[in-house]
Amino acid sequence: AQSVTQLGSHVSVSEGALVLLRCNYSSSVPPYLFWYVQYPNQGLQLLLKYTSAATLVKGINGFEAEFKKSETSFHLTKPSAHMSDAAEYFCAVIVSYKLIFGSGTRLLVRP
Amino acid sequence: KAGVTQTPRYLIKTRGQQVTLSCSPISGHRSVSWYQQTPGQGLQFLFEYFSETQRNKGNFPGRFSGRQFSNSRSEMNVSTLELGDSALYLCASSPSGSGREETQYFGPGTRLLVL
Repeated sequence: AQSVTQLGSHVSVSEGALVLLRCNYSSSVPPYLFWYVQYPNQGLQLLLKYTSAATLVKGINGFEAEFKKSETSFHLTKPSAHMSDAAEYFCAVIVSYKLIFGSGTRLLVRP
Repeated sequence: KAGVTQTPRYLIKTRGQQVTLSCSPISGHRSVSWYQQTPGQGLQFLFEYFSETQRNKGNFPGRFSGRQFSNSRSEMNVSTLELGDSALYLCASSPSGSGREETQYFGPGTRLLVL
């Protein structure tokens, strides 16, 4: 069965520091992977998605993720954190029309 | 284009009651999915509809049901509410629901509190 695992329920970084949110997938077939962000009291917003066209995927707000088959990973990064990046981030894989989400990582950005 | 809209945004019910939540997809989108988000269980898939047909269903009791209308609008119903049904219910739409690489666009959610 396909699934994703997010390591670290909370990540804290200083403003301007590198953001790294981890996601590992389990899949017997090439997966289609997504990163979503959720701000307080809002729905989910797509950051980026991997569809096998390119292993390095660039998304909105300066985020990017690299698909590494050898490590079964799809980690999300941003070179320089901004206070507005504070939110919860979800990695997901799509299976039979449904998204299967990881447990989420809450990002805290310290001034 | 307007995004996915959900009504109502907030709802308070008591145990044993039933509730109906509504979702209007992005114009032209034909697939609608529903998810439940709780602190304990995270984001869980409820069901997905395409052209008024349920194509996939998550692992939820029969008290949870849904339907889709010919204009792609969707409703979900929860009967005999339990305290554990308190959650944020999210609706998502996609153009054709073709599956694996199609992006699902989410609405703001309906927050249900069961007392």
